[in-house]
Amino acid sequence: AQSVTQPDIHITVSEGASLELRCNYSYGATPYLFWYVQSPGQGLQLLLKYFSGDTLVQGIKGFEAEFKRSQSSFNLRKPSVHWSDAAEYFCAVGSYIPTFGRGTSLIVHP
Amino acid sequence: DAGVTQSPTHLIKTRGQQVTLRCSPKSGHDTVSWYQQALGQGPQFIFQYYEEEERQRGNFPDRFSGHQFPNYSSELNVNALLLGDSALYLCASSLRILGGETQYFGPGTRLLVL
Repeated sequence: AQSVTQPDIHITVSEGASLELRCNYSYGATPYLFWYVQSPGQGLQLLLKYFSGDTLVQGIKGFEAEFKRSQSSFNLRKPSVHWSDAAEYFCAVGSYIPTFGRGTSLIVHP
Repeated sequence: DAGVTQSPTHLIKTRGQQVTLRCSPKSGHDTVSWYQQALGQGPQFIFQYYEEEERQRGNFPDRFSGHQFPNYSSELNVNALLLGDSALYLCASSLRILGGETQYFGPGTRLLVL
C-alpha cells in the first residue's frame, strides 16, 4: 500500500531564510509525487509534481523538490521564504488516487 | 478559465440529518474525486467519479454516496450524520485521458455536525 510520512508537524523559519520540508513515501513502483499548499480555510493548490525524468522539479512560487529514489524521499525546498509562504504543506504519492501525508505547518517569523 | 467550484462554503447540520455537497470541475475535466479533511489531518479519499459512475472508493461507509451528472459536475451525499463527519470536504477534478494524475482542488465545504 502507498503511504506518505511528513515527519515535521511544524516548521518555523525567519523571513528570508531557506526552507526544506521533508517527505518520505512508500510506493510499489515508480511513484507519482506531488506537493500541495493549503492556506487557512482554503483548498489545496498544486505546487509541483514528479512523474519521471529530471529528479529536480521546479514548481510555482519559487519552490523546487528533489526526488531521491534511494532514500524514498521527495523534499520540498525554497531558497528564501516570504511571509506569504506561511501555510500548510502536503506531500502526496500515487496515480489517480493520491495518498496524502498529514501535512507540515510552516510558520514564518518577520 | 474557471477552476473547481464548490457549494455551499459552510454548512451546519445536526446528528442524523442528511447533507448534499456540490462540485463543478475545472473546465475540460471529466473526473471528480471527493476527499474528507479532518482538522489537523491530510485529505482522505472518499470516492472518484468518471462517466457518471463511481470508479474507486476509499474506506468510507455506505452513508457516503455520490453522483456525477452528464456535465461532469458532482454531488456528495452523507446520510445519518455523525459528529465525526465534521470536516472540510474537498472536491478535486482531473482529466482521465491524460492519466488523471494531476488533480485540481476546490476551496472546500466546511461541514459542522452538532
